Amino acid sequence: SAVISQKPSRDICQRGTSLTIQCQVDSQVTMMFWYRQQPGQSLTLIATANQGSEATYESGFVIDKFPISRPNLTFSTLTVSNMSPEDSSIYLCSVRASGRGGSYNEQFFGPGTRLTVL
Amino acid sequence: AQRVTQPEKLLSVFKGAPVELKCNYSYSGSPELFWYVQYSRQRLQLLLRHISRESIKGFTADLNKGETSFHLKKPFAQEEDSAMYYCALRGSNYKLTFGKGTLLTVNP
Repeated sequence: SAVISQKPSRDICQRGTSLTIQCQVDSQVTMMFWYRQQPGQSLTLIATANQGSEATYESGFVIDKFPISRPNLTFSTLTVSNMSPEDSSIYLCSVRASGRGGSYNEQFFGPGTRLTVL
Repeated sequence: AQRVTQPEKLLSVFKGAPVELKCNYSYSGSPELFWYVQYSRQRLQLLLRHISRESIKGFTADLNKGETSFHLKKPFAQEEDSAMYYCALRGSNYKLTFGKGTLLTVNP
């Protein structure tokens, strides 16, 4: 399994500023994912971050707005840049790791970062 | 494109009653289907996956390719089952697509 921690757990930010969210995993993982969950909505994949390569962004998300770093196999950051109230959301880090049975790649989720933009 | 539909946003049942949370999907290939659960103040966690044909906490889900469904069932609901349930699909690109979720409330 994989245990994921995120910092900060929540924040309230002003419009136009940026926030960097950190994701730390207790084991080395190849694939890390960043999701967004807007109020009343489902989880939407922002990007996939693999160590040693540029993050791959989903349709509707761009690197200038959501730059991602992946310096090693246990850590990643997501920055929400030039924030607006529409960015108010929960941001979740997720990884693929061995899960039940050992041989199956399961996806684990962090506790999330609740962001409110005023 | 892959899509997951959970038609019920809210579902309320009484303790001991059967419960079924519906999930339909759209995917052109062979999908992997999952149910994730999020209890109050806890993180999202995997409940079960179709490939294992397992029963977890009394819940089962059968993949019906003909009806493109993966409904979650439990014969006798318990109060501790109250949570948000998400159906998810993973295609060949390893990306998970989630439904909008169903909030299950089990009343005493």
